Amino acid sequence: GAGVSQSPSNKVTEKGKDVELRCDPISGHTALYWYRQSLGQGLEFLIYFQGNSAPDKSGLPSDRFSAERTGGSVSTLTIQRTQQEDSAVYLCASSAQPPSGRAGEQYFGPGTRLTVT
Amino acid sequence: KQEVTQIPAALSVPEGENLVLNCSFTDSAIYNLQWFRQDPGKGLTSLLLIQSSQREQTSGRLNASLDKSSGRSTLYIAASQPGDSATYLCAVLTGANSKLTFGKGITLSVRP
Repeated sequence: GAGVSQSPSNKVTEKGKDVELRCDPISGHTALYWYRQSLGQGLEFLIYFQGNSAPDKSGLPSDRFSAERTGGSVSTLTIQRTQQEDSAVYLCASSAQPPSGRAGEQYFGPGTRLTVT
Repeated sequence: KQEVTQIPAALSVPEGENLVLNCSFTDSAIYNLQWFRQDPGKGLTSLLLIQSSQREQTSGRLNASLDKSSGRSTLYIAASQPGDSATYLCAVLTGANSKLTFGKGITLSVRP
């Protein structure tokens, strides 16, 4: 079946502009995660959605970052007033929750490479 | 705070060699541990997942073990091939929010 998809695959934007990154999780997966992979920093957690529960936003680096998940499926990560340090690969993952079967296994999309000039 | 360490950061081996990639984590109260592969410019591919109650998982030439009490996991790759060249990431699932905490990865190069 279809995996996690993300769009765009690449985004170049000027400093100060807003950007929106999209994630389509695997159908039926109730949990959705955003991570950021920066050069030399590794992968860091940003935000987590689980069903209709309030999202865990504890990983968002500043209030310029926000995310929403509409209808329990597609998610959009928005970065306002982008800065050069926002340049990174933004990865989305989904998993079937509450855990069953291969409990808690997360499936990743190909990522969006964001470059802020 | 959970921390995941993978050492060394890079490894180069000749084709055919059996090798072990190490991962350590500071908080043993994990739900599961996943090993991922990442090719340059690509996303993450899940290789193996070990639940906290398990000791190991195998898939083809790959075998991952978990010693939760000591905070260690190893990924064993048998008869390495040039196609195995990639970055291998270890990640643990901890806490009620189910976020993964990643190591920085080991970049493996298998020389023909």
